[in-house]
Amino acid sequence: EVQLVESGGGLVQPGGSLRLSCAASGFTFYSYAMSWVRQAPGKGLEWVSAISGGGGSTYYADSVQGRFTISRDNSKNTLYLQMNSLRAEDTAVYYCAKVADIVVVVTATYFDYWGQGTLVTVSS
Amino acid sequence: DIQMTQSPSSLSASVGDRVTITCRASQSISSYLNWYQQKPGKAPKLLIYAASSLQSGVPSRFSGSGSGTDFTLTISSLQPEDFATYYCQQSYSTLGLTFGGGTKVQIK
Repeated sequence: EVQLVESGGGLVQPGGSLRLSCAASGFTFYSYAMSWVRQAPGKGLEWVSAISGGGGSTYYADSVQGRFTISRDNSKNTLYLQMNSLRAEDTAVYYCAKVADIVVVVTATYFDYWGQGTLVTVSS
Repeated sequence: DIQMTQSPSSLSASVGDRVTITCRASQSISSYLNWYQQKPGKAPKLLIYAASSLQSGVPSRFSGSGSGTDFTLTISSLQPEDFATYYCQQSYSTLGLTFGGGTKVQIK
């Protein structure tokens, strides 16, 4: 059974940093690209970042480019999101999501499994 | 960036009704269009991928159609468990993915 479990969320002050983790199990983690998707309270879904299975290719939404860094440790079956220079508008539930098909990273992707999400609140 | 516009933003319907939700892309995205269902406090669930392919385990009352810029999600006979918010998502752009604003399906 595929499982994705996020952790690391919490309350942080504007300008601060936080690192999210997503522990994966039930599939060959290194074979699949992964993404982070967020949802601000009462709002819609926003794609944040993606990473290839091997970790060599990364992609970011304009809203987080230069502030967030996606990475993965395939030996630990874990996905990460390092978030720096956090702003109030980064407040959201952050989901990790597994891309359904091997090989693709962004184009032609869709997400067949999602974690339960972890809440990040940026406030003073 | 490719913008995705869903309509309506909300609708009220009764059990047994046929429901259609529309998603329009700001440019052609071929068939790179997916649909998700989200219930309050839960993660999204994949319903339809590549515009019209039904995800495994999803009831056949859900169907998708369209290509280019205009897409629809249809629920042929609304069931109590279908009251939720539905999102479209494009994966055509190499610059990144975008979701529609969502359509909330409520009980009439």
